Amino acid sequence: DGGITQSPKYLFRKEGQNVTLSCEQNLNHDAMYWYRQDPGQGLRLIYYSQIVNDFQKGDIAEGYSVSREKKESFPLTVTSAQKNPTAFYLCASSIWGQDPGELFFGEGSRLTVL
Amino acid sequence: QQQVKQSPQSLIVQKGGISIINCAYENTAFDYFPWYQQFPGKGPALLIAIRPDVSEKKEGRFTISFNKSAKQFSLHIMDSQPGDSATYFCAGNYQLIWGAGTKLIIKP
Repeated sequence: DGGITQSPKYLFRKEGQNVTLSCEQNLNHDAMYWYRQDPGQGLRLIYYSQIVNDFQKGDIAEGYSVSREKKESFPLTVTSAQKNPTAFYLCASSIWGQDPGELFFGEGSRLTVL
Repeated sequence: QQQVKQSPQSLIVQKGGISIINCAYENTAFDYFPWYQQFPGKGPALLIAIRPDVSEKKEGRFTISFNKSAKQFSLHIMDSQPGDSATYFCAGNYQLIWGAGTKLIIKP
């Protein structure tokens, strides 16, 4: 089945540690996205990538880093510089380069900083 | 900064009633207006979307109404069912900007 796979589903981190969230897609989509979701708030864009080896910052990129070495993969690293990293993180993918279309989301990764 | 303003924040509707959620946008360059549905612990999924060349689109019990002059679009859920209880989001600007969400509860 085609789709977006995020792992891990739950992650606990001590303060000062970096963690990496995995996102893999087999939809052959060019574009991939990372969003952060906090309770009672909408999705806020962290980073997005339209093509391999290229990515753009979203509204809340500070304290996060990404890479796009393969079309299928778009991992997100939450660094120790992120002041409030506890949140629900969502990865998505879509077609890019034509009319805007549907975003396909993974099931999310819930990060808790202890 | 471009924004998408969604209302209400929460909504309780009796089973069989009509649920209405609204979204206002600022940037007239937006050309795709989607509504996503999210269940607890899951990622959002596209429910219905409209492009600005039409004023209304209907898919089953779900309808989008689009008012270009007012820069607003709304989601109508007819004959609301308990299974529709979820959080709904509108989005704009190639889905890089999202509304804050509406938590919909359908009372049996």
